[in-house]
Amino acid sequence: EAGVAQSPRYKIIEKRQSVAFWCNPISGHATLYWYQQILGQGPKLLIQFQNNGVVDDSQLPKDRFSAERLKGVDSTLKIQPAKLEDSAVYLCASSLRRVGELFFGEGSRLTVL
Amino acid sequence: KNEVEQSPQNLTAQEGEFITINCSYSVGISALHWLQQHPGGGIVSLFMLSSGKKKHGRLIATINIQEKHSSLHITASHPRDSAVYICAVRSYNTDKLIFGTGTRLQVFP
Repeated sequence: EAGVAQSPRYKIIEKRQSVAFWCNPISGHATLYWYQQILGQGPKLLIQFQNNGVVDDSQLPKDRFSAERLKGVDSTLKIQPAKLEDSAVYLCASSLRRVGELFFGEGSRLTVL
Repeated sequence: KNEVEQSPQNLTAQEGEFITINCSYSVGISALHWLQQHPGGGIVSLFMLSSGKKKHGRLIATINIQEKHSSLHITASHPRDSAVYICAVRSYNTDKLIFGTGTRLQVFP
């Protein structure tokens, strides 16, 4: 069974530039999460999708972050414009249902200079 | 006070030692997850449990719902077990996952 795929693995940009991350969850997984993990801290939920609907985006900085999950399969997370404090690892996770075992991708490490 | 507390924050051990990491939480939960994160790596789910005990290889996870406490045990520890171990609970009321701050384990040969 293929795992959660994320790309790119690494991205370096300058502040005020934009960046997009892509996630392909495990086939059939209805729930998809995007987390932000700053070095030395635990993951912070940015957005949770159930199929193609948003369940929770209360901690997503909507002035600069956006995410979509068209067709309820893969998802993109965009940051525009980026700030220095956005430097972090962006983790995508999926689960078969809302209360289920989590499967994480390898993460996308963003450095904003 | 954090809703999910882990102890210890840091742990060093010699290869072969028995290791215990503890997780206490203060909210009602529907499930508890133990996760492993290697430096620079993604997160791997080790266990999801809501009662009793689960075992996978050298790893054992237990949970006591009444005491709101869970433990992760590693038997015959190995340097490749060196990682950050994270406890996360799913709140019964909000359905949200609440993460602990992690326990950094280093196992020396």
